[in-house]
Amino acid sequence: DVKVTQSSRYLVKRTGEKVFLECVQDMDHENMFWYRQDPGLGLRLIYFSYDVKMKEKGDIPEGYSVSREKKERFSLILESASTNQTSMYLCASSEGMAGVTFGPGTRLTVT
Amino acid sequence: GESVGLHLPTLSVQEGDNSIINCAYSNSASDYFIWYKQESGKGPQFIIDIRSNMDKRQGQRVTVLLNKTVKHLSLQIAATQPGDSAVYFCAENNNFNKFYFGSGTKLNVKP
Repeated sequence: DVKVTQSSRYLVKRTGEKVFLECVQDMDHENMFWYRQDPGLGLRLIYFSYDVKMKEKGDIPEGYSVSREKKERFSLILESASTNQTSMYLCASSEGMAGVTFGPGTRLTVT
Repeated sequence: GESVGLHLPTLSVQEGDNSIINCAYSNSASDYFIWYKQESGKGPQFIIDIRSNMDKRQGQRVTVLLNKTVKHLSLQIAATQPGDSAVYFCAENNNFNKFYFGSGTKLNVKP
């Protein structure tokens, strides 16, 4: 019953590295999202995409970029990882006004 | 503003008791609300939703109440079980495709 998958559950990277987080959904959803989740801050929207090759900035896009070349895949890119990007990253997808379906998350540690 | 490292509010209940988790939302224009459950190490899972034209909606052992006058949402869990231990948070939608999430409440069920 696979719906939203993320390429890694745990990831450790060094400061300055380029990091790719991959997300795939099999529900043919139009909308895809990347959130980060930090203690006490809840989920904060980084970027979202409502169509292939379309993207919009969320609330905290600085230091991130995204790519959506195919409908089912939405990638989050950290061009030069920094320690303040250590976090849990959650990918999600949705269709219209229906609720978002989340992936299992990627816990990224930047040392 | 919020502080990094702020602890989540915690609700401790005895197994078998009813739980009530509350959420205040910010935008009076929000017209769709969802409750999510997030277990440790996992992505959030949809529990129940409600649209703004309703005051109450019931699911299996869960009930969501919406008070638009005071912008308040609550989740009631009947006969709470150990498997209900998790972080619960609400989400509001006031813009097509975008959801805004609360920071969550940790439910601790004591056996």
